[in-house]
Amino acid sequence: GENVEQHPSTLSVQEGDSAVIKCTYSDSASNYFPWYKQELGKGPQLIIDIRSNVGEKKDQRIAVTLNKTAKHFSLHITETQPEDSAVYFCAATGNQFYFGTGTSLTVIP
Amino acid sequence: GAVVSQHPSWVICKSGTSVKIECRSLDFQATTMFWYRQFPKQSLMLMATSNEGSKATYEQGVEKDKFLINHASLTLSTLTVTSAHPEDSSFYICSADSGALNEQYFGPGTRLTVT
Repeated sequence: GENVEQHPSTLSVQEGDSAVIKCTYSDSASNYFPWYKQELGKGPQLIIDIRSNVGEKKDQRIAVTLNKTAKHFSLHITETQPEDSAVYFCAATGNQFYFGTGTSLTVIP
Repeated sequence: GAVVSQHPSWVICKSGTSVKIECRSLDFQATTMFWYRQFPKQSLMLMATSNEGSKATYEQGVEKDKFLINHASLTLSTLTVTSAHPEDSSFYICSADSGALNEQYFGPGTRLTVT
């Protein structure tokens, strides 16, 4: 089955700086790569996603890049704000979702 | 759009009792719903896949007689934890497949505490 690795597990940045979270996957058949933000005590919220026929996607301060050859994709958050502090999960999916282990992001005011 | 609700948001029960958690897709029909379990500071662990009108598919190691799943309609799936024990205490999250090419939308989760 698919194996998704996510790094780093924790990340602290100063407010206004950028944050980058990386995930690698193993199954070349995976074709959909969503990113979720989970705040404490809440369910994951889809923040951005990308499909295998696209290399990059951007939504305001959030962007995702995909390198199919290298089998990795990354989440980029620019101009970070304290409310961006949360746990972020990547996932890779073909027929089933495989989640990364999560990154706890702390934005320091 | 694509809102998924769960009820209750938290529940405390005594050992040996059963607890039912509901998952509803509010503004779309979901042929497939998923149930996850999440321990503190860990990722989501898929427990089972629920298809409307058919039996759920359980992941390896998940006891189907303990975690009963019913998907009676295109907007409702239920998870019943039977004969609950303290080790069943966890955060249970459902998600629904919107039908749009694998997109899943998650509910807010249910915190179960078994005393």
